This record gives sequence, structure tokens and C-alpha cells, in this order.
Amino acid sequence: NAGVMQNPRHLVRRRGQEARLRCSPMKGHSHVYWYRQLPEEGLKFMVYLQKENIIDESGMPKERFSAEFPKEGPSILRIQQVVRGDSAAYFCASSPSRSTGNTIYFGEGSWLTVV
Amino acid sequence: EDKVVQSPLSLVVHEGDTVTLNCSYEVTNFRSLLWYKQEKKAPTFLFMLTSSGIEKKSGRLSSILDKKELFSILNITATQTGDSAVYLCAVANTDKLIFGTGTRLQVFP
Repeated sequence: NAGVMQNPRHLVRRRGQEARLRCSPMKGHSHVYWYRQLPEEGLKFMVYLQKENIIDESGMPKERFSAEFPKEGPSILRIQQVVRGDSAAYFCASSPSRSTGNTIYFGEGSWLTVV
Repeated sequence: EDKVVQSPLSLVVHEGDTVTLNCSYEVTNFRSLLWYKQEKKAPTFLFMLTSSGIEKKSGRLSSILDKKELFSILNITATQTGDSAVYLCAVANTDKLIFGTGTRLQVFP
């Protein structure tokens, strides 16, 4: 049973380009969370999705960021027109139900560097 | 606004020392408090606490929650260099985990 799979693990983008980060939840998990970790900081909640629905996007920047979790395929976090301040580690987590706690599992993260 | 505050921000100790990491919180719809260890990759789960006063132990690590005073502590006894990491405290409400900024622990031989 594979864990939460994120790719790419490392991504370098020039300012103004688009970044797409993918997350495949654990088998049987239909709830996905995205977190961002800036250097030397804790994890900041971005968005919580279920299949085809955004449940809570209170942590998403209002512009340039979007997320989806289609019926088929991985969840995708999309960052348009990246800027240097977007450089961070982006962690995806999944759980089998809405209840959080020790049923939430993290992926290894995607490190975005904007040059 | 929900918040989780950890202290100290960083800690430098020698092997064998005992450390106490603190976590205080103000979160609506509290469900549980969790501790994670992070070493340059994904956080790894340590403990989940839901009830006050019940200590959770795993080897040299232990943790306890006080829901009245809204805080938790993580103790590490007889520290080893392998304990060097960032320790994250997170509070789960009905929808998500809210993380503190972490305590960076460095253990020197």
C-alpha cells in the first residue's frame, strides 16, 4: 500500500512560469490537504479538498493559486506566474475521512525553487 | 483567528540532556493535539493527545496535554544526536491541522 505520492519532488521555475504539483493520496483516502512550508517556518494550511470539491480554501492566496481534485487522477496544486516568494516546500496529506488527527498521512513534499 | 504557538524557537543541548518543548494553542472546535518530528522532509507522527492529564510515552519521548490551560509539552530525556530535528505541534479541529512554527532542536555530542 503506497503512501501519499507527490511529484515532482523538486521543481525549478523561472519567474512568470507556471508550477504544477501533483499529489496521489493513499489508497482509500478521498480527503486531500495541501500545506506550504516557507524556509524556517511551520506548515501553513492552504486548501482541503474531497473528490471534485473544494471544502476549505481559506489558506490559499487569492491570486495565482488554484487546486483541484478530480474524480480520476491526482490532486493538483497550480501556481501561475510564479514569483520568488513562492519558493517553498509544498506538502500534501491525505486521510480517509473528514476527521483529522493521526489518520492524516503526509507525502514527502515538493520543493519549488523560483529563480 | 486560530493559532498555535511553540517555544522555544530553537534549543541547543548536549547529548544526555533532557529537554522540554512547549506548545500553547487557541483553536476553535478542538479535536486533538499532535506532535511531529521533521528532518528536512515530511513530518513524521509522534503522538496524538485528546484528553487532559494522560501522558503518552514512546521510548525517551513523552507528552501530555492540559485542555484547561490550552497547552502541551513534549519531553525528551537522555537526548541523542539523532534527536536533532524540528519538532512541530499541530492542533486538529473539525477540518484541518493548524501547525505551530516548530522548535528546532540541535543535540551536540
